[in-house]
Amino acid sequence: AQSVTQLDSQVPVFEEAPVELRCNYSSSVSVYLFWYVQYPNQGLQLLLKYLSGSTLVKGINGFEAEFNKSQTSFHLRKPSVHISDTAEYFCAVRTGGFKTIFGAGTRLFVKA
Amino acid sequence: NAGVTQTPKFRILKIGQSMTLQCTQDMNHNYMYWYRQDPGMGLKLIYYSVGAGITDKGEVPNGYNVSRSTTEDFPLRLELAAPSQTSVYFCASSSWGNSTMGYTFGSGTRLTVV
Repeated sequence: AQSVTQLDSQVPVFEEAPVELRCNYSSSVSVYLFWYVQYPNQGLQLLLKYLSGSTLVKGINGFEAEFNKSQTSFHLRKPSVHISDTAEYFCAVRTGGFKTIFGAGTRLFVKA
Repeated sequence: NAGVTQTPKFRILKIGQSMTLQCTQDMNHNYMYWYRQDPGMGLKLIYYSVGAGITDKGEVPNGYNVSRSTTEDFPLRLELAAPSQTSVYFCASSSWGNSTMGYTFGSGTRLTVV
């Protein structure tokens, strides 16, 4: 069975600082990996996804994530955050089926 | 292009009442899902559907029912509401036969049972 663990429930960071949100997964088969962002009082939006090929994937709003198969990780990074990046971020894993497992979420607080 | 539309956005129910959360999508997606989101718990799958007339239970189906009479609509029914059903409910959809697609989510329904 698949599972997703987001290692930090909250991450405070100052504006223009770099940030990394950590995600580990477990699966016995090949997976597709996703990061979603949820702004206050909104639904989730797809930020980026790893399907195959290059282990570094780029998404919207300057975010990127690196797939590490040996570490079973898919950490999300941004070199310089803005106040507007304050949101909750969800890591998710999907195998060849049609269901996706979501992590518990990481709240990113960007401070001025 | 509306995507996934959920109604209502907010609702307060009394214990024992029933209601239907509406979800409709205009992207011709075959797969549709209902999740509930509780603080610190991520998203839990309630029910899902792989096409019109086909539904199945997710992780937390108790107290809920669904139907899928058309490709576009996937309503979620709460019977005999309980305080444990206080949550934010999200409907989502994705396309047929393409596991690489992410989900498109609605904006959610915030439900309080008192």
